[in-house]
Amino acid sequence: DAGITQSPRHKVTETGTPVTLRCHQTENHRYMYWYRQDPGHGLRLIHYSYGVKDTDKGEVSDGYSVSRSKTEDFLLTLESATSSQTSVYFCATSTTSGRGAYEQYFGPGTRLTVT
Amino acid sequence: SQQGEEDPQALSIQEGENATMNCSYKTSINNLQWYRQNSGRGLVHLILIRSNEREKHSGRLRVTLDTSKKSSSLLITASRAADTASYFCATGNAGGTSYGKLTFGQGTILTVHP
Repeated sequence: DAGITQSPRHKVTETGTPVTLRCHQTENHRYMYWYRQDPGHGLRLIHYSYGVKDTDKGEVSDGYSVSRSKTEDFLLTLESATSSQTSVYFCATSTTSGRGAYEQYFGPGTRLTVT
Repeated sequence: SQQGEEDPQALSIQEGENATMNCSYKTSINNLQWYRQNSGRGLVHLILIRSNEREKHSGRLRVTLDTSKKSSSLLITASRAADTASYFCATGNAGGTSYGKLTFGQGTILTVHP
C-alpha cells in the first residue's frame, strides 16, 4: 500500500445526517480522487483534486462536496446522506509515469451504510 | 458513463490454466491500465500500456492494446489460486489536461480453483 489511509473504515448512519470521510496520504502526491464502488457500476469518480484548495466534479458528484486544505488530506462530505449513497468509497492518489500517464494508488476503502 | 467495457464479467478456471480478460473503450486514450482488487481491499495497479505500444509484459502478465479496435486484453499465464480477484481496466484520455483521471470498467471476476 502506498501510504493511503481512510477513516472511518465502516460507518452506519441515518438518512438526512451529514457524513465526512477522510483520506490521508503520506506520498506527497499532487492528485487525489474519491470514487464510489457499487455492484454493476465498477468505480465511478465523485470528485478529484489537482492541488491544495483545487477541486472539481467527477461523474457522480451530486450530493457530495470535498475539501483539500493540505496536500495530505482530502475530505469527502455527504451533506445529507440518502440511502442511494450506501456504497464503498475509495480514495486514490496518483503520480506521473511520464508522458501524460498517471498510475493511481488506492486506500483500503470505507463501507458506508445509510439506513 | 463507463469508458471501459470488460468481458467476460466472470471467469472460472483451474490452477495452471491461462486467464484472458478483454476490455473495450470508446474514446481516444493516452494510456490503458489494469488493476486488481482482492475481496474487501482497494485496487492495486498491475500494468500500464501507452497508446503507442502494442504489447507489454510484467512477470506472468501480458497486456495487448489495439487502438484501431479500441480494445485491450490481459493474459495471466499459469494462474494460481492467489490470482483470484476482480480485474479492472482503466483508461486515461488523450488531449487536454487530464489531472491523472482514469475511467474504470466494471471489472472481470476471476476465480482460480486449486
